[in-house]
Amino acid sequence: GAGVSQSPSNKVTEKGKDVELRCDPISGHTALYWYRQRLGQGLEFLIYFQGNSAPDKSGLPSDRFSAERTGESVSTLTIQRTQQEDSAVYLCASSPGLAGGQETQYFGPGTRLLVL
Amino acid sequence: QKEVEQNSGPLSVPEGAIASLNCTYSDRGSQSFFWYRQYSGKSPELIMSIYSNGDKEDGRFTAQLNKASQYVSLLIRDSQPSDSATYLCAVHNTDKLIFGTGTRLQVFP
Repeated sequence: GAGVSQSPSNKVTEKGKDVELRCDPISGHTALYWYRQRLGQGLEFLIYFQGNSAPDKSGLPSDRFSAERTGESVSTLTIQRTQQEDSAVYLCASSPGLAGGQETQYFGPGTRLLVL
Repeated sequence: QKEVEQNSGPLSVPEGAIASLNCTYSDRGSQSFFWYRQYSGKSPELIMSIYSNGDKEDGRFTAQLNKASQYVSLLIRDSQPSDSATYLCAVHNTDKLIFGTGTRLQVFP
């Protein structure tokens, strides 16, 4: 079956532009996560969606970052007025959502963002 | 103190040896623990999950958990060059996973 997909796979943008990253979770997975991974670093939690509950936005680094999810499907992560420090791989993961987050997360291939 | 700590490595072991990867965490209430493997330029993939104190074995991999010491480890027996990757420890916290920065493992022939 299809795994988590993300688009675009690579994005190069100029400082100050807005970017939108997309994630398609595994069908039927109600939980969806966004992470950021800077070069040589671990995964930094950004935001978590679970069904129709209010998302956990506690990891978003600034108000330039926002994310939306349509029902239990596609999610978009938007970064406004991009800065060079936003350059990273943005990873999306999904899970069935049956165990309050205590379950295996399946990762997409990531979007590599480079801000010039 | 970081919530999840790992030695960044690299940890170099010869082919056929046992590789031991360690992780400590700060939240004593954590209940679920995961080891992910990440090849360079790729996304993380799950190796093992462990929820109870003790050992859990799956093929060449053994996860060990000691909640009293807030310590979780991953042993890889008969290490192969294909095991060369970064191993990420992840600990469940409230509704999300907190990841360590990872340990880079190098298995040389």
